[in-house]
Amino acid sequence: NAGVTQTPKFQVLKTGQSMTLQCAQDMNHNSMYWYRQDPGMGLRLIYYSASEGTTDKGEVPNGYNVSRLNKREFSLRLESAAPSQTSVYFCASNRTPYTEAFFGQGTRLTVV
Amino acid sequence: GENVEQHPSTLSVQEGDSAVIKCTYSDSASNYFPWYKQELGKGPQLIIDIRSNVGEKKDQRIAVTLNKTAKHFSLHITETQPEDSAVYFCAARKGNNNDMRFGAGTRLTVKP
Repeated sequence: NAGVTQTPKFQVLKTGQSMTLQCAQDMNHNSMYWYRQDPGMGLRLIYYSASEGTTDKGEVPNGYNVSRLNKREFSLRLESAAPSQTSVYFCASNRTPYTEAFFGQGTRLTVV
Repeated sequence: GENVEQHPSTLSVQEGDSAVIKCTYSDSASNYFPWYKQELGKGPQLIIDIRSNVGEKKDQRIAVTLNKTAKHFSLHITETQPEDSAVYFCAARKGNNNDMRFGAGTRLTVKP
């Protein structure tokens, strides 16, 4: 049972480049999330998907887009990367908002 | 939106001592308060959670207390061990909302 799998683990982008972070969960969870983690700021919610076919903005959605491809997969896209998007990105999932959220291992993204 | 403040940002204790981390939240409608532990290079992992209809919850050496009137909740770790060294995050969620807000984190170091 792999849990939540994120790819890639590390990525370096040049300013203006685009990329998609992939996330898949094998726990049949309804809800999936994307967070970014910056030093001294904890985890901030970028976007979430309460169920297949729905997505909603979180605390810091600007500069990002998401796709809930199916129940298992939730991708995060940076259309034109900026240095301010240098961060560690975590994908998470849970069955309901009141149950444990399981996190992936993270993607360390550097934009130069 | 919800605002979660966490203190202290760093905490150093001797092995065997107790550690206490405190969080406050702003939205009185918040009703679910999880605590996550993050080890180096890994995603956060749930260690304990509490709902607003409960004042205290214990799980072996870990306990969480909630004061709804004052809008604060605390994590208590007794008989600390070196393997408790990690970053701890509190979080708060409102209603059946998928938008969960995290504190900035506390880096706990347990010295042998």
